[in-house]
This record gives sequence, C-alpha cells and structure tokens, in this order.
Amino acid sequence: GAGVSQTPSNKVTEKGKYVELRCDPISGHTALYWYRQSLGQGPEFLIYFQGTGAADDSGLPNDRFFAVRPEGSVSTLKIQRTERGDSAVYLCASSLTGARDTQYFGPGTRLTVL
Amino acid sequence: SQQGEEDPQALSIQEGENATMNCSYKTSINNLQWYRQNSGRGLVHLILIRSNEREKHSGRLRVTLDTSKKSSSLLITASRAADTASYFCATDASNSGYALNFGKGTSLLVTP
Repeated sequence: GAGVSQTPSNKVTEKGKYVELRCDPISGHTALYWYRQSLGQGPEFLIYFQGTGAADDSGLPNDRFFAVRPEGSVSTLKIQRTERGDSAVYLCASSLTGARDTQYFGPGTRLTVL
Repeated sequence: SQQGEEDPQALSIQEGENATMNCSYKTSINNLQWYRQNSGRGLVHLILIRSNEREKHSGRLRVTLDTSKKSSSLLITASRAADTASYFCATDASNSGYALNFGKGTSLLVTP
C-alpha cells in the first residue's frame, strides 16, 4: 500500500516569507508526527497529532510554527516569517494508533531559507 | 534534545563483513527502534524491540537490547554495498510512548 507522502519535496523561500508543508499519512493511521532534521543531526520531534487534535506540541521551537490536521488525515505544517535557521529537512511520520507503535516516515521536505 | 547516542559515528567495511553499531540512551523506554536513512531523506524502519525483549532478528539484522545498561546494538551480517546509509536508533520515553528521540546516527560505508 501507499506510504507516507510529503509535498513539496523541496522548497526554497526567502527570509520572512510564509511556507506550508503537507503530509499525507498512511490510510487508517490515527497518529501523525512532525520532526525536523538539521544537517548532521538526527530528527527532532516537533508535534504529535492523535486524530484531529495536537496531543503534544512541545517540540515546536516558537510561535512561528503551527500545524493542523482538520479532518484527522492530511496535516499541514505552517511556518511564518521564515528565518535562515529554519532550513532543514521536515519529516512526517504516521503510526496506526500512536502509543508505542512503529512510526513510518515520509521522504521529507527539504526547506531552504535564503 | 537527543537522548540516543550511536557509536561509532562512522564505520567503513568491505562487502561480506559484519557491521555492528551501538546505541546508548539515558531514560527508561517502552521500546527502541532502528532506522536507516539514505542521502539525508526519508527514514526506513528496520526493527522495533520492546523493553521486555532482549534480542530480535529480521533477515540479516540482529538487534539486542540491554535495559540495565541502557544500550542496544544493531548487527548487519554479510554486508552489501546497498547497506551504505546512516543508521539511527530511536527511543520513546516511557512516560509518553510516542515522541521518538533520535541520536546523531552512524554513517556506514560498505565498499565492494
């Protein structure tokens, strides 16, 4: 079956602009996660959705970052007033139920802020 | 913060040899997962081992977990050039069970 998909695969933007990154989880998975991976580092947790609600957004670095999942499937990560330090690969993952499940990752979106 | 630490940071071996990577972590966990990443993009799930398990096998992969030492190892037997990738261990804190904490990874190079 289809895995997790993310669009766009690459996004180049200018400092100060607004960007949206999209994630399509595996069909039927109720849990969705966003991570951010900087060069040479492992992924870092940003936010976790269970259904439509953000169960844990403690990893979001500041209030310029926001994510939604209005119908409990597709999720959008939104970044306002982008900064050069936001450049990274943004990874989305989903799992069947959430707690202690295997998380399946998408290919990521490489965001470059000039 | 990154809880897991993989060791070594980089490993270079020849095809046919075995590759062993280690992971240490700091707090109690529910399970530990190993992932592979090619070219800095999507992570491929390899194996999940639960805190009450000590060893698990999947094809050429063997994972061990020692919760008393807070450490795990990933063994890839009879390595192939296609195994060249970065390998990460990821743990979930026992009080949450969902947010994964990754280390910086081990970069494995398998030469023909």
